[in-house]
Amino acid sequence: DTGVSQDPRHKITKRGQNVTFRCDPISEHNRLYWYRQTLGQGPEFLTYFQNEAQLEKSRLLSDRFSAERPKGSFSTLEIQRTEQGDSAMYLCASSSPGLGYNEQFFGPGTRLTVL
Amino acid sequence: SQQGEEDPQALSIQEGENATMNCSYKTSINNLQWYRQNSGRGLVHLILIRSNEREKHSGRLRVTLDTSKKSSSLLITASRAADTASYFCATDNSNSGYALNFGKGTSLLVTP
Repeated sequence: DTGVSQDPRHKITKRGQNVTFRCDPISEHNRLYWYRQTLGQGPEFLTYFQNEAQLEKSRLLSDRFSAERPKGSFSTLEIQRTEQGDSAMYLCASSSPGLGYNEQFFGPGTRLTVL
Repeated sequence: SQQGEEDPQALSIQEGENATMNCSYKTSINNLQWYRQNSGRGLVHLILIRSNEREKHSGRLRVTLDTSKKSSSLLITASRAADTASYFCATDNSNSGYALNFGKGTSLLVTP
């Protein structure tokens, strides 16, 4: 396993469309995090999972955002009715209890452009 | 919301010089970490310092932590052009599942 992967790397969509991003964590990592990064800013935490359980989702930006991790492996982040303000880089990270959950390994990100 | 603030926002130095970046944060932490991000790409973990530690070294990196001042610094010695990147500090807390709170970052440019 070479690391965290994300798909697609780039997504261009029209306002009002729904988009879904996928994240495949490092296989033995049971924690998975989603972040959003806008231009010139640091990443902003959105939500995280431990195995299949979503333990924090209050930081999701609106009810248009949702995330799943149905089998405790890969995760998806969906944005419904996209808005231009949703344009950003969406980053996924994973971690392991063996690391004390402290060090997170990030994927390359999915860059979303909403026209 | 952003937890930390890095200073300076941008730094330009020549190869061989040292680069120092500072980070301040607002609330109590378990750990403070530094990450590097090359243009438009994912983040790479550099170093972690625990709240009960004051200084840590890793290769050409030196990190200090002052919990009384809620601040940290990252020193990169003998910089190289390949060190050109954005550097972020991030704090975590076990109460929030170790989710990371990032600052806005310092953009470092190392010229040959």
